[in-house]
Amino acid sequence: GQSLEQPSEVTAVEGAIVQINCTYQTSGFYGLSWYQQHDGGAPTFLSYNALDGLEETGRFSSFLSRSDSYGYLLLQELQMKDSASYFCAVRYDNTDKLIFGTGTRLQVFP
Amino acid sequence: NAGVTQTPKFQVLKTGQSMTLQCAQDMNHNSMYWYRQDPGMGLRLIYYSASEGTTDKGEVPNGYNVSRLNKREFSLRLESAAPSQTSVYFCASSESGLGTEQYFGPGTRLTVT
Repeated sequence: GQSLEQPSEVTAVEGAIVQINCTYQTSGFYGLSWYQQHDGGAPTFLSYNALDGLEETGRFSSFLSRSDSYGYLLLQELQMKDSASYFCAVRYDNTDKLIFGTGTRLQVFP
Repeated sequence: NAGVTQTPKFQVLKTGQSMTLQCAQDMNHNSMYWYRQDPGMGLRLIYYSASEGTTDKGEVPNGYNVSRLNKREFSLRLESAAPSQTSVYFCASSESGLGTEQYFGPGTRLTVT
């Protein structure tokens, strides 16, 4: 079976750094993706890690450790607009199918 | 460039009624997907199509059928709607074989009474 765990909620203040963790138990693991979803909106892609290590895209970075079945999304210089839900998702079985976690709601306060 | 479009945006059905959700993409993607998202939950894959003419079940296919009409269009049909199918439905598309970005449509909010 496939399962992912991430915290349900995280709070932070503007300008801070926040890390959202994701652990997974997945057979046939191929890679870990992160998506952002604002309330009432559609998910939008943030990052994809297939190999161990850190990928940086602007203020957002994503990390993967395949041996630990663990990844995280790091958001720096937080802005109010970063308040949203963040989902990790596992790609498996060498298909394009994803299994999504239940999401982490990030609230950024002024 | 419209990306992924879905119709309708909202729909209310009575138990037992049928309907088809439409999805189209203009990015020439091979892979297309249907997800449902229940309140406070992640997305769950209903069906997946790797290319025109092929479909594959996801995590929660029961009660749904799909049709990959051509490369652009992927429809989801509820033959006999049930209250448990009340959800937000998202269609998505992506390049094949890269495991990278899935592009999502705006969603259809379906209520079954």
